[in-house]
Amino acid sequence: DIQLTQSPSFLSASIGDRVTITCRASQGISSYLAWFQQEPGKAPKLLIYTASTLQSGVPSRFSGSGSGTEFTLTISSLQPEDFATYYCQQLNSFPITFGQGTRLEIK
Amino acid sequence: EVQLVESGGGLVQPGGSLRLSCAASGFTFSSHWMHWVRQAPGKGLVWVSRIHSNGNSTTYADSVKGRFTISRDNAKNMLYLQMNSLRAEDTAVYFCARGGRFDPWGQGTLVIVSS
Repeated sequence: DIQLTQSPSFLSASIGDRVTITCRASQGISSYLAWFQQEPGKAPKLLIYTASTLQSGVPSRFSGSGSGTEFTLTISSLQPEDFATYYCQQLNSFPITFGQGTRLEIK
Repeated sequence: EVQLVESGGGLVQPGGSLRLSCAASGFTFSSHWMHWVRQAPGKGLVWVSRIHSNGNSTTYADSVKGRFTISRDNAKNMLYLQMNSLRAEDTAVYFCARGGRFDPWGQGTLVIVSS
């Protein structure tokens, strides 16, 4: 199985900050990576697919990059609604796997 | 509006069975792969199973293979997950999600396996 390791697992930041979350795959996955946002008690929401494509309706302050084994999710200027948990997901091979999550909290 | 609504969760004893349902609306259900993903309380997301748009191909995580069965009824726009021989470690919120992009997800249904 392909393991995805996110760093950091916990991030404290302020409104307006630029933050970056990294996702590392245990083997190459080309660009078959997605990012999801999950607020407490809610379903995950797709933000980015194929590593860098912004899902329709997602604010442009979110961006993704990377290929192979290293990927990043960047939020250019944090807004109050961005404080949530973020997960990466690989779709290169089965079983589909997710990173352990990065919890983003207000400083 | 594209919508997925899960139901069927509840409390079940170890070794018991439960069938989850996911009602789809707002899109051509029969054109999309569908997935089940679960999330244990306070934990991360774990993919469980997927089914082809025509129902003829299915894939499972090793942890549920032989115990869970995914199926669909395209005439009713319904996705199902039959869960047998349930274990305490199957306790989780179960989400259905659409297609290769996992978009959107339903709100989830909670399954608790406990005596």
